[in-house]
Amino acid sequence: NAGVTQTPKFQVLKTGQSMTLQCAQDMNHEYMSWYRQDPGMGLRLIHYSVGAGITDQGEVPNGYNVSRSTTEDFPLRLLSAAPSQTSVYFCASSPTGADGELFFGEGSRLTVL
Amino acid sequence: GNSVTQMEGPVTLSEEAFLTINCTYTATGYPSLFWYVQYPGEGLQLLLKATKADDKGSNKGFEATYRKETTSFHLEKGSVQVSDSAVYFCALSLYNTDKLIFGTGTRLQVFP
Repeated sequence: NAGVTQTPKFQVLKTGQSMTLQCAQDMNHEYMSWYRQDPGMGLRLIHYSVGAGITDQGEVPNGYNVSRSTTEDFPLRLLSAAPSQTSVYFCASSPTGADGELFFGEGSRLTVL
Repeated sequence: GNSVTQMEGPVTLSEEAFLTINCTYTATGYPSLFWYVQYPGEGLQLLLKATKADDKGSNKGFEATYRKETTSFHLEKGSVQVSDSAVYFCALSLYNTDKLIFGTGTRLQVFP
């Protein structure tokens, strides 16, 4: 029972490099989202999607791109990494998009030097 | 704006002690309220929720009551265990969406 799977778990980048954080869920959930977790700031919503082909911005979208070509996958792209993007990133999904019970992946720790 | 405020941690308790973690919120409209728990090295998981005033959410011995008059959703447990050591997040959602607004989290450490 895989649930929400994130890869990689750890990544170190240099400023200006690009990368993609992968997120896949096998629960046929329509809603998917990305959060970042920073000390003293809790979790903040980056982008979210209510279904394949539909994405929207959250609270802190700058510097990140997303796409949703399938129900299962919701990758997060950093086009030009900055030290301010050093964080732990969580992908989450929900079956209905309307009841607040999110299923989280184990997180991806990103360090930008 | 909409926000969630939690008491700062860490909260350090001995096993079998009583736990309270305070949470207050500011919201336009009528939010749903949640407590999520994050065990070491894991993602967050839903602990309990309440969707309207005076509702009580409960799970695994934890309880929280939605208090509209004090805009609070304090988490309580009568007797904590070492296995309860984790970070606890209070959160709200508006208009029945999954766009949750989280508090900063409170770390709980329980010692034998």
